[in-house]
Amino acid sequence: NAGVMQNPRHLVRRRGQEARLRCSPMKGHSHVYWYRQLPEEGLKFMVYLQKENIIDESGMPKERFSAEFPKEGPSILRIQQVVRGDSAAYFCASSPDRGRVNTEAFFGQGTRLTVV
Amino acid sequence: GESVGLHLPTLSVQEGDNSIINCAYSNSASDYFIWYKQESGKGPQFIIDIRSNMDKRQGQRVTVLLNKTVKHLSLQIAATQPGDSAVYFCAAMGDTGRRALTFGSGTRLQVQP
Repeated sequence: NAGVMQNPRHLVRRRGQEARLRCSPMKGHSHVYWYRQLPEEGLKFMVYLQKENIIDESGMPKERFSAEFPKEGPSILRIQQVVRGDSAAYFCASSPDRGRVNTEAFFGQGTRLTVV
Repeated sequence: GESVGLHLPTLSVQEGDNSIINCAYSNSASDYFIWYKQESGKGPQFIIDIRSNMDKRQGQRVTVLLNKTVKHLSLQIAATQPGDSAVYFCAAMGDTGRRALTFGSGTRLQVQP
């Protein structure tokens, strides 16, 4: 059973370009979470999605950032018109659907975005 | 809102000693806590979790203690090994139904041979 798969592992973008980060959850997991981590800091929640639905995007910047989790395919975190401050490691996590019982989330290896 | 903080940014221990990493949280409604280990260049790795209806939980070489009165939890690692060197994060899950985790800023554990 493969873990959470993120790609690319490293992404370099020039200011103003678009960045697309992909996340395939673990098999059988229907919940996906995106987090951002700056160097030497903890992870900050961005968005929580289920298939075809955004459940909680309270941590997502209002502009330039969007996320989706289509019926088929991976979850995508999209950053438009990137700026240097977007440089960070972006982690995706997934968890199974166990109703309202909280469960641990399994994390991918992250995508390290560098904006030059 | 929820915030989670750690008392020490770096902890240095001798191989074989026990390690204790502490964490404080602010939201008394937090009902689920997780400790993660993160090695350089990798994603967080689940270590152990505890729900708010418990005050102690043990795993293999690790124990998590939860004190809801003072909103504090700790991770104890027995017989620390060089492979335990990493950054350790505590994370809390807040209000029921909101499944996002709030992470602390991390403690770097350095194990001296």
